[in-house]
Amino acid sequence: SQQGEEDPQALSIQEGENATMNCSYKTSINNLQWYRQNSGRGLVHLILIRSNEREKHSGRLRVTLDTSKKSSSLLITASRAADTASYFCAIMNSGYSTLTFGKGTMLLVSP
Amino acid sequence: NAGVTQTPKFQVLKTGQSMTLQCAQDMNHNSMYWYRQDPGMGLRLIYYSASEGTTDKGEVPNGYNVSRLNKREFSLRLESAAPSQTSVYFCASSSDPKGEKLFFGSGTQLSVL
Repeated sequence: SQQGEEDPQALSIQEGENATMNCSYKTSINNLQWYRQNSGRGLVHLILIRSNEREKHSGRLRVTLDTSKKSSSLLITASRAADTASYFCAIMNSGYSTLTFGKGTMLLVSP
Repeated sequence: NAGVTQTPKFQVLKTGQSMTLQCAQDMNHNSMYWYRQDPGMGLRLIYYSASEGTTDKGEVPNGYNVSRLNKREFSLRLESAAPSQTSVYFCASSSDPKGEKLFFGSGTQLSVL
């Protein structure tokens, strides 16, 4: 199974700024999901985008998917200190039944 | 709602000792998963159970066994712990057999000395 690769590994911004993180993968997918992990906690599902979708929104989150470039991006608008966390993309391959997680992007939002 | 509950939260073992990590979910989910998380490695799937009565190996199953006791409970056993099994272990569940939208427990931090 393939693993998504997030970029950058770490991102530091100020409150109110937008945060963008990217995920690249290598083979065809069924869907791609983004999760958030606060320090010392379990992962929380944020959003799922299917291979036939190009963009989805959820509150301050915007996810795009470009299957021709095999990449996805997660945009968090008007960041808050509470958004400080690690963000993971997870790949559901076509034909597979389990999710494969990337190594994550650590986001630090300073007040 | 409790969601996914893992016990214990912390454990220290000596090499060669055995232990079982417990996981229970109260969301009536069919699918359950065990992942391990190591620094710089992301999450790696150890075992999963797509439905009650079935279990399958994931990416890193060696050194582990699992039991799907019933629909609610999915345990992970280390028969003879090794230092390489020092990690944070997460249990997750999903209502979808293909694992869309996983719900995670808060993790078990395991150290093997």
